[in-house]
Amino acid sequence: SVLTQPPSASGTPGQRVTISCSGSSSNIGSNYVNWYQQLPGTAPKLRIYSNNQRPSGVPDRFSGSKSGTSASLAISGLQSEDEADYYCAAWDDSLNGWVFGGGTKLTVL
Amino acid sequence: EVQLVESGGGLVQPGGSLKLSCAASGYTFSGADMHWVRQASGKGLEWVGRIRSKSNSYATTYAASVKGRFTISRDDSKKMAYLQMNSLKTEDTAVYYCTRERVEPAPIGLYYYIDVWGKGTTVTVSS
Repeated sequence: SVLTQPPSASGTPGQRVTISCSGSSSNIGSNYVNWYQQLPGTAPKLRIYSNNQRPSGVPDRFSGSKSGTSASLAISGLQSEDEADYYCAAWDDSLNGWVFGGGTKLTVL
Repeated sequence: EVQLVESGGGLVQPGGSLKLSCAASGYTFSGADMHWVRQASGKGLEWVGRIRSKSNSYATTYAASVKGRFTISRDDSKKMAYLQMNSLKTEDTAVYYCTRERVEPAPIGLYYYIDVWGKGTTVTVSS
């Protein structure tokens, strides 16, 4: 994948976890980052857009940040229903298309 | 409620063709760019291509992996988007999602993001 994410992350209920996403100057370095949550067998859902904006209905436990060519998704007050795959995405000016991270499987222990 | 519903998936032999459809409802279809994204079983998301709105001349762009084989089109009067897939390869086997790109004002410039996904339709390329 063009964007690099750790393959897995974990935490216990109530904990705060972060998921990183690394790119380059043609994608994260010059464009906004979005984050998607995918539960097993379902389509991805938007959780964070434009680095740190939450769509209506997304709990404020979800937050995003970006610095240079890297971005992070943070989930605080971890809940069992947060267990899912998470993908970062950004527009790539060189490829002229959306690029995604390989996904991070979040396990709630 | 904004909704995208894909159809047309199925089993096709290598070298064959298939056309996917995406029916949109609940928003002004003609004003939005539409993208197709695919996901092979157990793998990550891969952007396939985009068709822009009429105001951007219905311009299309494609991922290198499908360029020259896949064609995206749309019919604004029917609120439909399409993905024509030719010369299919086994590596094209995936769930194909139809998605909408949203654009909204930002403090500086514009926010662009894919905000709505269909449930997906499965394409299997196998002999």
